[in-house]
Amino acid sequence: GAGVSQSPSNKVTEKGKDVELRCDPISGHTALYWYRQSLGQGLEFLIYFQGNSAPDKSGLPSDRFSAERTGGSVSTLTIQRTQQEDSAVYLCASRTSGEAGELFFGEGSRLTVL
Amino acid sequence: AQSVAQPEDQVNVAEGNPLTVKCTYSVSGNPYLFWYVQYPNRGLQFLLKYITGDNLVKGSYGFEAEFNKSQTSFHLKKPSALVSDSALYFCAVRSMNTGFQKLVFGTGTRLLVSP
Repeated sequence: GAGVSQSPSNKVTEKGKDVELRCDPISGHTALYWYRQSLGQGLEFLIYFQGNSAPDKSGLPSDRFSAERTGGSVSTLTIQRTQQEDSAVYLCASRTSGEAGELFFGEGSRLTVL
Repeated sequence: AQSVAQPEDQVNVAEGNPLTVKCTYSVSGNPYLFWYVQYPNRGLQFLLKYITGDNLVKGSYGFEAEFNKSQTSFHLKKPSALVSDSALYFCAVRSMNTGFQKLVFGTGTRLLVSP
């Protein structure tokens, strides 16, 4: 597709369950970011992938959160043993390899933990 | 550490009037600066960026922003607001230093343009 694709668009889960959120970046974009947007809050950086380099995981809030990027393309954000405070919109973005490039965002995955 | 401040949670302006959404930043080294807009239940859309060169940058939908190094500001402006400009606006900064790839966002400013 032409843009960043995220799935599912909405996910409701019970506390303690694991969830997986998927991001399919724009073809050819080597950099991929995950952000979290809580209600009424700004964007919180979670993790950054660039090509084959080690990812920058400095924003992951706990060891329940992990992400991988397979084949330099699709990325999956996994949240284990979800908590109510994990409820948020999870946004994925990609950009070209050039440092000055802007990010292109997906529509987000809205996670609700009951 | 990089940071962005958007001091106004909300800006109200009448249609046809000029608008300004404020942004100040803190970063080591020279900055890359960005503005994004978010419409309800949507992802973020890129508006404009400052990388280098002319301090006044023009972007989508008639928006512009001025980079002021001495004041570490990058305010978003538009000469004549439209009701359709009502949305949530985010300023973001990244350092030009290699290794600092993280784009840091402000908390956002809600713009309400009244008819």
